[in-house]
Amino acid sequence: QVQMVQSGAEVKEPGSSVKISCKASGYSFISYYIHWVRQAPGQGLEWMGLLNPNGPETSHAQKFQARVTMTMDTSTTTVYMELSSLRYDDTATYYCARDTELGIVESWGHGTLVTVSS
Amino acid sequence: SSELTQDPAVSVALGQTVRITCQGDSLRSYYASWYQQKPGQAPVLVMYGKNNRPSGIPDRFSGSSSGSTASLTITGAQAEDEADYYCNSRDSSGNRLVFGTGTRVTVL
Repeated sequence: QVQMVQSGAEVKEPGSSVKISCKASGYSFISYYIHWVRQAPGQGLEWMGLLNPNGPETSHAQKFQARVTMTMDTSTTTVYMELSSLRYDDTATYYCARDTELGIVESWGHGTLVTVSS
Repeated sequence: SSELTQDPAVSVALGQTVRITCQGDSLRSYYASWYQQKPGQAPVLVMYGKNNRPSGIPDRFSGSSSGSTASLTITGAQAEDEADYYCNSRDSSGNRLVFGTGTRVTVL
C-alpha cells in the first residue's frame, strides 16, 4: 500500500534552515505529485507547494516562494522540503502527501514537527 | 480570490444530519476535496470530485457543489465523526492548491 514516511522532529534556531525528508513507497514514484502542507499548533492546514517527480517541476504558494526548496532522489523515491530563514511562526507540523490527481490529496505522511526556538 | 471559507464550528446531535460548507471563487471552476482530521492525526481524504468517497469511507458522507459553494453532508452522524474538516481545491491559477479555514464538528 502507499506509504509516506517522514523524517523525525527537529528543533531549529531562528534564521537557520530545516530539511525534511519523505520516503514514498507502494506506487510508481514518478506518476503522482507530492505536496507539502503545514499546520501550526491549533491552526488550520496550509498548502506550501508541490513537486511533480515526472519533470521534475515544482509549484509553490506565493507566501513561500523565496524560502522553500523541494527536491527529490528518484533512486530512493524520497522527496525533500527545505525551508530557509526560519522564524518563530514557522513552528508547525509539516506533512508530505501524495495526490491522485491535482487537488485530491490522498495519502499523507505522519507529519514532522519543526520547532523554531532560540 | 484564492481563499476558501468555512464556518469555524458546527454541532450535530448523534444520528442527525450536518452539512459543512466551503465557499470560494475557485469552486466555480474546480471541485472541492474534503479531509477529516482528528486530534494528533494526519488528515484523511473523505470526499472528492462530484461526490466520490475513497475506499473505506462510510456512505453517510456525501458531497455536493453549486456555484462557489461546496458542501459535505454527514447523514446520521456518529460519535467517531467528531473531528475537524477541511476543504481544498485548486486555486484560480489551476496549478496551486488552497485549503479552507476548517470546521470543527462536534457530535452531541
